[in-house]
Amino acid sequence: EAGVTQFPSHSVIEKGQTVTLRCDPISGHDNLYWYRRVMGKEIKFLLHFVKESKQDESGMPNNRFLAERTGGTYSTLKVQPAELEDSGVYFCASSPEPPIAGGAGWNEQFFGPGTRLTVL
Amino acid sequence: AQSVTQLGSHVSVSEGALVLLRCNYSSSVPPYLFWYVQYPNQGLQLLLKYTSAATLVKGINGFEAEFKKSETSFHLTKPSAHMSDAAEYFCAVSEGFTGGGNKLTFGTGTQLKVEL
Repeated sequence: EAGVTQFPSHSVIEKGQTVTLRCDPISGHDNLYWYRRVMGKEIKFLLHFVKESKQDESGMPNNRFLAERTGGTYSTLKVQPAELEDSGVYFCASSPEPPIAGGAGWNEQFFGPGTRLTVL
Repeated sequence: AQSVTQLGSHVSVSEGALVLLRCNYSSSVPPYLFWYVQYPNQGLQLLLKYTSAATLVKGINGFEAEFKKSETSFHLTKPSAHMSDAAEYFCAVSEGFTGGGNKLTFGTGTQLKVEL
């Protein structure tokens, strides 16, 4: 079974340009997460989709970031316009639905290889 | 709210020596704790997890970690380092689906270097 894939693996753009990152989760995984690691810092949560709905977008830095998950399959993360501080590695992860009826418990998140974004 | 502190951004050990990577956490509810490893040019891979069963958990590649509630720690160890263990290691905490959608809070990572 294919793992989580992300495209592109690297992107170099100039300040003010637009970039769209794509994530394809593992088939059948309802939960999709975006994380970001700015150089030298921790990996930070950006947002969480359950199917096509945004469950939690508390980690989105500002309104220059727009995430979508059309049809509950792949997701895109658009940065428009990009700023220098947006540089970093963007990770996507997916997980199955909660293991316990009523939404309790946890499930392993499977990570993609990340997209390294450089804004010049 | 939850947080993770990893002491030491870089750790260097000799091949065959003990590996000890430190992790302390804070969580307002009983946590789920994880160690992830990232090899160069690869995604994060789950190394091991604590999910409220045994406090000493064993993972892949000979790694293990012990959950100590009184110390709020979840240190990662391996008795004998191998060159192939060189990678970046991340400690993470989650409050599960009911505590926050199963999202992970990570530490800053520890780069492990293994020398001959």
